Amino acid sequence: AQSVAQPEDQVNVAEGNPLTVKCTYSVSGNPYLFWYVQYPNRGLQFLLKYITGDNLVKGSYGFEAEFNKSQTSFHLKKPSALVSDSALYFCAVRDPNTGRRALTFGSGTRLQVQP
Amino acid sequence: SAVISQKPSRDICQRGTSLTIQCQVDSQVTMMFWYRQQPGQSLTLIATANQGSEATYESGFVIDKFPISRPNLTFSTLTVSNMSPEDSSIYLCSVRSGSDEQFFGPGTRLTVL
Repeated sequence: AQSVAQPEDQVNVAEGNPLTVKCTYSVSGNPYLFWYVQYPNRGLQFLLKYITGDNLVKGSYGFEAEFNKSQTSFHLKKPSALVSDSALYFCAVRDPNTGRRALTFGSGTRLQVQP
Repeated sequence: SAVISQKPSRDICQRGTSLTIQCQVDSQVTMMFWYRQQPGQSLTLIATANQGSEATYESGFVIDKFPISRPNLTFSTLTVSNMSPEDSSIYLCSVRSGSDEQFFGPGTRLTVL
C-alpha cells in the first residue's frame, strides 16, 4: 500500500522568512513523489516531482523539495515566503512497483503567510 | 501539459436525482481518474476510467453509485446516482501524462439538498 502523511494542518510564516511544509511517505519500493498547490476556488496545480536522480528538486514559483530516503520524507521548502504563497498544499505519492496507477494524496497543509 | 475541462462547473441538485459530469482532455491520454474532494480536504480516488472496459473502483466506491464511461482517449463521464447530501463535494477529473505528472481539471462543485 502507498500512503503519505502531512503532520501539520496549518503552517504560519512571516513574509520573507523561509518556509517548510512537511511530508512523509510509506511505500514498499522506490516512490514517485509530488507536490501540488490549490488556491481558493481553483484547481490543483502541479509544483514539482521527484522520480529519480538528484535528491533536491526545484519546481514552480521558487519552491523546492528534498527527497530523504532514510527519513522517508519529501519536505517542501522555499527560502523566502510571499503572501501570495498562502494556499493549500498537498503531497502525493505513487509506488510504480505496485501497479497502482493513480496518486495517493496527503491530508493537506494550509500555508498562511503573514505580511 | 494536458488541458482538462469539466462540465458542469457547479450544480445544486435534489436528493434522489442523478448528475453526470463530463471531462474533456485536449490530447489523448491513457490514464484517466476521478477523485472526490470535500471542500478544504484531501482528495480521495473514486476510480480509474478505462477506455473500452469497465472502470476500476477503489474500496468504498461502487459502480451502481458512480457509473463511469470512457468511450475514447479524450473523454470520460462520471455519474453520481441517487444523490444524498453526503455526496456534496468537489469532483475532479485527472489524467496522467507520459512524464508521470498528473493533471487535474477545475472540478465540479456539487451541492445536494
